[in-house]
Amino acid sequence: NAGVTQTPKFQVLKTGQSMTLQCAQDMNHEYMSWYRQDPGMGLRLIHYSVGAGITDQGEVPNGYNVSRSTTEDFPLRLLSAAPSQTSVYFCASSYSGRPNYGYTFGSGTRLTVV
Amino acid sequence: AQSVTQLGSHVSVSEGALVLLRCNYSSSVPPYLFWYVQYPNQGLQLLLKYTSAATLVKGINGFEAEFKKSETSFHLTKPSAHMSDAAEYFCAVSDMEYGNKLVFGAGTILRVKS
Repeated sequence: NAGVTQTPKFQVLKTGQSMTLQCAQDMNHEYMSWYRQDPGMGLRLIHYSVGAGITDQGEVPNGYNVSRSTTEDFPLRLLSAAPSQTSVYFCASSYSGRPNYGYTFGSGTRLTVV
Repeated sequence: AQSVTQLGSHVSVSEGALVLLRCNYSSSVPPYLFWYVQYPNQGLQLLLKYTSAATLVKGINGFEAEFKKSETSFHLTKPSAHMSDAAEYFCAVSDMEYGNKLVFGAGTILRVKS
């Protein structure tokens, strides 16, 4: 029972490089989302998906792309990394249409852009 | 639009003292409210949630929170702090109008002094 698995745990990128943060869940959750955590700002929503093939933008989507080809996976792509994208990234999942359920979080990816 | 305000970015208590972490929310429809805890270098773990049943909600590790509609508050308390409670705590809100999206407060770092 793995829950939500994020890889890698740590990453250092150079400005302008691209990369993909992986997120996978094994709970058959329809809803998946990506947040970034910055000191004093809580968690801010980047992108979310209510099911396979459906994605939408959150509060801070610029510089990030997502796709959802399967229920299990929800990768986050950084197209051209910038120092402002240095952050801790969390993937979370839940059941669609059940806002009272709460989220299951992954353990996070700590990204540094130099 | 939903929003969450956590009063006090840092709270310091002595071991054995009362813990009180404050959360006020804004929502145009009945809210669902959550408290999450984050230990250093880990993901977020659900402490407790309010989903319109009992207004006094009990969670894990001896924490509880009371929903007060008239004050739009959902403060987190614990009668006696333990060293292991040192962590960052996040209040979050969702509702049926906003779907599965969770809006988080900025977080409160709890320090427990021996």
